[in-house]
Amino acid sequence: DQQVKQNSPSLSVQEGRISILNCDYTNSMFDYFLWYKKYPAEGPTFLISISSIKDKNEDGRFTVFLNKSAKHLSLHIVPSQPGDSAVYFCAASGSGGTSYGKLTFGQGTILTVHP
Amino acid sequence: DAGITQSPRHKVTETGTPVTLRCHQTENHRYMYWYRQDPGHGLRLIHYSYGVKDTDKGEVSDGYSVSRSKTEDFLLTLESATSSQTSVYFCAISIQGKETQYFGPGTRLLVL
Repeated sequence: DQQVKQNSPSLSVQEGRISILNCDYTNSMFDYFLWYKKYPAEGPTFLISISSIKDKNEDGRFTVFLNKSAKHLSLHIVPSQPGDSAVYFCAASGSGGTSYGKLTFGQGTILTVHP
Repeated sequence: DAGITQSPRHKVTETGTPVTLRCHQTENHRYMYWYRQDPGHGLRLIHYSYGVKDTDKGEVSDGYSVSRSKTEDFLLTLESATSSQTSVYFCAISIQGKETQYFGPGTRLLVL
């Protein structure tokens, strides 16, 4: 059972426009969410995160929105740049002392930004 | 840079042989993780460690074992490799068991 889902395997966007990547989750115990970016032949790199007590978090061109009632989060990249082309993973974590920071990942979305 | 290295970076092996992958960190972080990445599945947790000699199973632990005899090293062993274990393996650390994890460069394993 996939608890974190990214239903769009790929997304193609023109340089300068907005990229919107989506993620849905089913486990109501998740209370911390992260986005990672991954280039080929490299490990994932942390991009941005959000706690369930917030509904929005911004860091430069990247904004993450959380809709707890819909169990949905999205990552907005504005403006998109060719260097943003990568695989994007969303991940979720539950709270509690025994979670040990374990993450559950979505399947990933391949973002291609065309010049 | 979380100071994480993985070795080997690439390995080809035959079905039935044991394989050990190494993750090494230089920052003395307590929490370490092993994931595998496969198309259509994202990253899935194999095993994790919350201290020296303290390890536990993740989502896809069957066929894998781990050991952590030193803070800086976390070893993943495939007791008898199978073709279904062909994958890219990533090691990660977290600081104080917080949710943000930092990943190593990965090991690409091919089991023939």
